[in-house]
Amino acid sequence: ELKVEQNPLFLSMQEGKNYTIYCNYSTTSDRLYWYRQDPGKSLESLFVLLSNGAVKQEGRLMASLDTKARLSTLHITAAVHDLSATYFCAVGLQGAQKLVFGQGTRLTINP
Amino acid sequence: DAGVIQSPRHEVTEMGQEVTLRCKPISGHNSLFWYRQTMMRGLELLIYFNNNVPIDDSGMPEDRFSAKMPNASFSTLKIQPSEPRDSAVYFCASSLAGKVFGELFFGEGSRLTVL
Repeated sequence: ELKVEQNPLFLSMQEGKNYTIYCNYSTTSDRLYWYRQDPGKSLESLFVLLSNGAVKQEGRLMASLDTKARLSTLHITAAVHDLSATYFCAVGLQGAQKLVFGQGTRLTINP
Repeated sequence: DAGVIQSPRHEVTEMGQEVTLRCKPISGHNSLFWYRQTMMRGLELLIYFNNNVPIDDSGMPEDRFSAKMPNASFSTLKIQPSEPRDSAVYFCASSLAGKVFGELFFGEGSRLTVL
C-alpha cells in the first residue's frame, strides 16, 4: 500500500525566510504532484514531477524529486504572505491512475 | 475553458436523508475521481472512473455510498442514508489519461453537513 507522508504538518514562518517542505513515499512511483489549497477553496496544481532529478520552479517555489530516496521537496524562497496556504504532495502508484495524497502542510507566513 | 463543475456547493441535511452530489468533468477528459476531505483523514480517494467505467471503488466507505457515471460529461455520488460522520467536503476531479497519466484538475467541492 502506498503511503505518503509530509513534514512538517504545520509551519509558521516570517516573510523573507526560506524553508522546505518534505514529502516521503513508500513505494515505487512514476509521478509526483504538488498542489496548493487556500482555505475553503479547491486544489490548484503547482508542479508535476515525472523523473528522477526533476526540478521545477515557479516564482518563489521550487520542487524537486529524488525517486531513489522516494523523496520530494518543495522549497520556498524569501516567503511572502501570499504564499500562506496548505500544500499537498500527491503520488501516483506506478501503472495506476489514482493519486495518494499526503496529509498536507499548513503554511502560515507572518509579516 | 470551463473547469470541473460540482453541485451543490453546500448541502445541509438531516441524518437519514439521501444526498446526491453531481459533477461535470472537463470536456475531453476521460478519467473522473471522487475524493473526500476531512480534518481527521485528509484527502481520501473514494472511487474513480476511466471512460465511464468504475476502475477502483475500494475507497467507498460502505454500501451507503454509490457512484455512477452514465456518460462522459456527468457523474453522481449518492449517500443513502446519510449519517453525521459523512460530513466532509467532497471533491470531484478529472484528468486525461493516455500513455501518460495526466494531472488531476479539481472542482470547487461540495461541502456536506449532516445533522
